[in-house]
Amino acid sequence: SAVISQKPSRDICQRGTSLTIQCQVDSQVTMMFWYRQQPGQSLTLIATANQGSEATYESGFVIDKFPISRPNLTFSTLTVSNMSPEDSSIYLCSVDRTVYNEQFFGPGTRLTVL
Amino acid sequence: DAKTTQPNSMESNEEEPVHLPCNHSTISGTDYIHWYRQLPSQGPEYVIHGLTSNVNNRMASLAIAEDRKSSTLILHRATLRDAAVYYCILRAGAAGNKLTFGGGTRVLVKP
Repeated sequence: SAVISQKPSRDICQRGTSLTIQCQVDSQVTMMFWYRQQPGQSLTLIATANQGSEATYESGFVIDKFPISRPNLTFSTLTVSNMSPEDSSIYLCSVDRTVYNEQFFGPGTRLTVL
Repeated sequence: DAKTTQPNSMESNEEEPVHLPCNHSTISGTDYIHWYRQLPSQGPEYVIHGLTSNVNNRMASLAIAEDRKSSTLILHRATLRDAAVYYCILRAGAAGNKLTFGGGTRVLVKP
């Protein structure tokens, strides 16, 4: 299995500010994914991040609001920009392990925007 | 993405089997059937996946209908630790493709 860590684990932020969430994997992976889970809801994919290329965003998510970096094969960041209370969610990263045909998820970052 | 339909919730008694149904009538020939579960306050974790044949692993069994339009995840002896939301997901092709989560089934295990 892959070991995935996220920082911060939780944060409380003021509206209008930005927060950058880090995702670190213990091994090199090609594809990383960022999800959002709003309170009481299922997971929604924000974007797919491949190393060396621009992230691919899902419908309803834009780069200006959720810029993503993928500087190497073990690390990625997601920034939630110009936050509003509607951005209060758990943000999770995941990685694909091709050999196992399964995704491994990080523990999530719980964000509260006041 | 092909859609899956699951009951919102199910209850089970501890040490009894749990059968979680999933309908996926629009499944395509290259879609794999994946199951993930999300324990409280944790990220989802992989449970099992299959294409056409029934599959067994240490966590569960997956029974796939002959026409592949439905499947059932079987937890053979539920424990309190199995209380979670279980997601049935169709994944296009092999690894490397995105997962699209539906609403899932919340499983409550009673002691």
